[in-house]
Amino acid sequence: DAGVIQSPRHEVTEMGQEVTLRCKPISGHDYLFWYRQTMMRGLELLIYFNNNVPIDDSGMPEDRFSAKMPNASFSTLKIQPSEPRDSAVYFCASSLGSQSVMYFGPGTRLTVT
Amino acid sequence: GNSVTQMEGPVTLSEEAFLTINCTYTATGYPSLFWYVQYPGEGLQLLLKATKADDKGSNKGFEATYRKETTSFHLEKGSVQVSDSAVYFCALIANYGGSQGNLIFGKGTKLSVKP
Repeated sequence: DAGVIQSPRHEVTEMGQEVTLRCKPISGHDYLFWYRQTMMRGLELLIYFNNNVPIDDSGMPEDRFSAKMPNASFSTLKIQPSEPRDSAVYFCASSLGSQSVMYFGPGTRLTVT
Repeated sequence: GNSVTQMEGPVTLSEEAFLTINCTYTATGYPSLFWYVQYPGEGLQLLLKATKADDKGSNKGFEATYRKETTSFHLEKGSVQVSDSAVYFCALIANYGGSQGNLIFGKGTKLSVKP
C-alpha cells in the first residue's frame, strides 16, 4: 500500500482565499484524522471520522474550517476564508479500529500571506 | 482528563551517548502508550508501543516500559546515532471516556545528535 496520501504537499495562498487540502487514507482503514502542527501549539487534533461519519469536531478552530469525507477513500479539509494564522502543517492520518496504530501522511505545509 | 507530559527539549547529544526522554501520563482506566517519531520534513511514524502494564516496547534500539505504578513510559536508547535526530512524541489512547478513538500527544521533544 502507498500509505496515506496528501495533496498538495505545499500550498501558498493569500489571505481571504479558499484552501482545500486532500487526503486519501490507507485502503480498509475505518478511522481518519486531521491534525494541525505549529511551533506554538504543537499537534492539535482538528476532527476525526469513523466510517466516513464525523465523530468529534471539537478541535476545529472556527466556522472557517470544514471537513468532509464523502467516501471511504477520500477526505477534504477546507479553510474559507484563509488567514495568516492558519499557516501550519496539516496532517491526515488513518487507522484500522480506534485502538490501533495510526498512520500519518507526509503533511501539507500551508502558508497564508 | 487524559494528558501526556514529556520533557522539554531540545536535547543535544553526541553520537553513541545514552538517551532518555521522560514521559508521564494521566488517564482513567488502562491506556495504550506509544512513542512516535517525526524526522525532518516528514509525518509522524510509530516507533514503539505498549498496551498493558509492564509491557516493554522496542524498535530500532529504542525501548520504553509501561510503568503503571509511576504512570510513566520513558524512552531510552543505549547509543544514539546522528540518524536518530528527530522529534519524539509520547502519546496515549485511553480505553475509557471521550478520548477513545484518537491519540493524545505530548508536545514533542526535539533530539539533535552531533557526530
